[in-house]
Amino acid sequence: GAVVSQHPSRVICKSGTSVKIECRSLDFQATTMFWYRQFPKQSLMLMATSNEGSKATYEQGVEKDKFLINHASLTLSTLTVTSAHPEDSSFYICSARTGDGGDTEAFFGQGTRLTVV
Amino acid sequence: GQNIDQPTEMTATEGAIVQINCTYQTSGFNGLFWYQQHAGEAPTFLSYNVLDGLEEKGRFSSFLSRSKGYSYLLLKELQMKDSASYLCAVVDSNYQLIWGAGTKLIIKP
Repeated sequence: GAVVSQHPSRVICKSGTSVKIECRSLDFQATTMFWYRQFPKQSLMLMATSNEGSKATYEQGVEKDKFLINHASLTLSTLTVTSAHPEDSSFYICSARTGDGGDTEAFFGQGTRLTVV
Repeated sequence: GQNIDQPTEMTATEGAIVQINCTYQTSGFNGLFWYQQHAGEAPTFLSYNVLDGLEEKGRFSSFLSRSKGYSYLLLKELQMKDSASYLCAVVDSNYQLIWGAGTKLIIKP
């Protein structure tokens, strides 16, 4: 199957700093990538849809100025958590699909465990 | 609104069979996925159904009834490594994935 690579897998940062998470599609071009957040014992929560060459589409309740998304190329999307606070500590996962069809499965990055201290 | 329901948690015994149900109400339907997610890891693909009926793949099978808005994932010959969360996701009319909250499956020896 297709490969989506996410980096870093774990990051610890100080409160008030910013953290960048990268998501790359290694063997296909992804015009759309999705960023999810997952709290312990809860399911995936879609944060935003990242569109190549245009602004990301954020879900209701997600602060676009805090979670900056850039989709600079067909193989790379980045999520920057700005001015991080302890409540931003979570598991962040990106995903991409190789097409738009109903049978197109989502391929996930490895996830990033963010801890803000 | 769009809604996908799964049991929060289930417990089963090693070697047994377990069925995880998923019911959905979405704006359109273009398929249903099941994913497995181990704690601290990303979800991995298990199955895809778009037509009614049962799809078998080794120890795992997935069933779909579009008229009832219902699917289940059947796991046979349970192994300890099957302890994980199982996520149901429906593709809606806009071809977007709508995720269920997941079912945590606990396997006991």
